[in-house]
Amino acid sequence: EAQVTQNPRYLITVTGKKLTVTCSQNMNHEYMSWYRQDPGLGLRQIYYSMNVEATDKGDVPEGYKVSRKEKRNFPLILESPSPNQTSLYFCASALSGTGATEAFFGQGTRLTVV
Amino acid sequence: AQSVTQPDIHITVSEGASLELRCNYSYGATPYLFWYVQSPGQGLQLLLKYFSGDTLVQGIKGFEAEFKRSQSSFNLRKPSVHWSDAAEYFCAVVDMYSGGGADGLTFGKGTHLIIQP
Repeated sequence: EAQVTQNPRYLITVTGKKLTVTCSQNMNHEYMSWYRQDPGLGLRQIYYSMNVEATDKGDVPEGYKVSRKEKRNFPLILESPSPNQTSLYFCASALSGTGATEAFFGQGTRLTVV
Repeated sequence: AQSVTQPDIHITVSEGASLELRCNYSYGATPYLFWYVQSPGQGLQLLLKYFSGDTLVQGIKGFEAEFKRSQSSFNLRKPSVHWSDAAEYFCAVVDMYSGGGADGLTFGKGTHLIIQP
């Protein structure tokens, strides 16, 4: 089954403790992206990747890092999480970054930073 | 930069009634337009998309949307809603002429649809 898999689905952590949210897709997609969803703000892009070893900042990249060493994986790293990073995070992938192909979303990771 | 406006934060509709969710975008050229649905606890699922051609597009689950260039709108419609349509709906746009999808999808803030029995 074609899918985007995020782990974990739920995470509660403390301020400053480094964490990684994994994202994996099995569709051989070139384009991958991370979004955060906050009430009243919709979804905002954090980082995106057009292909392996090609990443770039989205609209709200501060406090986040990403890497794309393999085509299928695109982990989101919070080196020193803060309470304002409490949010619902979504990973997405698409065949290409042209916008002409459908984006597939993972089921989300609900992160709480206390 | 492009922007997407969904004027209605919440909409309540009776089951069996028709539905229209509004979406306006701010953009100079013709963008790629999408509607996504997010059911509780789920990720986003694509309902339909508009790239070019016929301005009335059909999607899954009985939804359709109409692109109106003169009004910069891409409203989502359904003739008769079902209780299972209760969800969050997001309109999104991709700017095809500023690096294309490299800017990613720009989402509206969403409309929460409530279905009354």
